[in-house]
Amino acid sequence: GAGVSQSPRYKVAKRGQDVALRCDPISGHVSLFWYQQALGQGPEFLTYFQNEAQLDKSGLPSDRFFAERPEGSVSTLKIQRTQQEDSAVYLCASSLANFDSLWSMPPQYFGPGTRLTVT
Amino acid sequence: AQSVAQPEDQVNVAEGNPLTVKCTYSVSGNPYLFWYVQYPNRGLQFLLKYITGDNLVKGSYGFEAEFNKSQTSFHLKKPSALVSDSALYFCAVRPLQTGANNLFFGTGTRLTVIP
Repeated sequence: GAGVSQSPRYKVAKRGQDVALRCDPISGHVSLFWYQQALGQGPEFLTYFQNEAQLDKSGLPSDRFFAERPEGSVSTLKIQRTQQEDSAVYLCASSLANFDSLWSMPPQYFGPGTRLTVT
Repeated sequence: AQSVAQPEDQVNVAEGNPLTVKCTYSVSGNPYLFWYVQYPNRGLQFLLKYITGDNLVKGSYGFEAEFNKSQTSFHLKKPSALVSDSALYFCAVRPLQTGANNLFFGTGTRLTVIP
């Protein structure tokens, strides 16, 4: 079946522009995660949705970052007034079940990412 | 605080030889541990996980990992490396506590299998 898809795959923005990054999770997956991966680093958690509810946004680096998942499927990560330090690959992942369950640790399935370059 | 460390940025191994990619972790309580692999221009792919039970976990593509609580390690292993195993490998941990939803990833280890 289809995996997690993300669009665009590449985005170049001038400093100060707003960008919107889209994630289409695997159909039926309840949990959705956004991660930021800087060059040469591992992914770092940004935010987590369970269906349409944003349960954790502790990883968002500033109030310029905003994520939504209004119908519990597609999610959008928006970055306002982009800065050069926002340049990174933004990864979306989805997972089948309730991630809070202590004994079911379903793996997260990752999309290919959106590479954002802020000039 | 929780974290994982991958002490080697780069591992080179000859095709057919056994490979080990190292990972150590630091969490409060018992950990959930994962290995993911990242191929160029592709998303991270899940390899295996440890929750509880046997310390030796078997995963995709012939990989396995050994959980060692006393050494707080979760090293990834494969008995015979293939050239196609060349990729970037990430260890990740999720602490066993309600509400901790995110994974903490290491910085990655680039594995190169030499023909």
